[in-house]
Amino acid sequence: EAQVTQNPRYLITVTGKKLTVTCSQNMNHEYMSWYRQDPGLGLRQIYYSMNVEVTDKGDVPEGYKVSRKEKRNFPLILESPSPNQTSLYFCASSLAPPGTEAFFGQGTRLTVV
Amino acid sequence: QKEVEQDPGPLSVPEGAIVSLNCTYSNSAFQYFMWYRQYSRKGPELLMYTYSSGNKEDGRFIAQVDKSSKYISLFIRDSQPSDSATYLCAMSENSGYSTLTFGKGTMLLVSP
Repeated sequence: EAQVTQNPRYLITVTGKKLTVTCSQNMNHEYMSWYRQDPGLGLRQIYYSMNVEVTDKGDVPEGYKVSRKEKRNFPLILESPSPNQTSLYFCASSLAPPGTEAFFGQGTRLTVV
Repeated sequence: QKEVEQDPGPLSVPEGAIVSLNCTYSNSAFQYFMWYRQYSRKGPELLMYTYSSGNKEDGRFIAQVDKSSKYISLFIRDSQPSDSATYLCAMSENSGYSTLTFGKGTMLLVSP
C-alpha cells in the first residue's frame, strides 16, 4: 500500500528538549515536504526536499532542521522546541513537480510545554 | 494582502445539493491549482489538479480556474454526507519545485 508514515502520531515534550519526527514514504517519490497546520493559519510549508541531499526552506523554517540522506526518509528535527512550535505537523511526498503533493502522512500532534 | 483567500465556512447543505467552493489569489505567477480534502484528524488528500486556466471534471467533482480573475472553484455535484470535510485549495508557481501555498480551508457539512 502506498503511504507516507509519520512517527510519533502524538508527542508532548518540554521546552528545549531536542526531538525528531520521522517521515518515510514507500513510493520512491523524489519530492518531500513538511508542513505545520494551525487554527486560523492553515497549512504552512516548513521545509522541502527535491531529492537526496537537496533541501530548501519553505515559508516558516525558523526553529526547524531537516535532512534527506535517503530517498524514502525525511525527518524533521526541532533542536530546541518552544511552545510556539505546538502544532499539527504533516509530511508529504510527490512524484512530479511542482508541488503536486498527492500523499500526506496522518500527522503528528506536537505539544511543547 | 493575503496570498490565497478562502472562506472558512462552515458551509451547510442538504444531501444532493450542488456545492460551490472558491478561492481567490493575488499572485499572478501561480500556474498550478489543486484542491485537497481533509477529514477530521487526517492528512489532506488530493482531489483535483489543474494546470493554468480551464475546467477539469472527475466524477462528481469539477474544478474551474479563471486566471484572468485570479479565482478558482470546486463544484461537488450530488453531495453526500461522506463529503463532509474541510476543503483546501492550493497553488504554486511554475518551474521546478516551488512552495505550495494553501488556502485556510472551507469546512463543508452535508446533512442527510
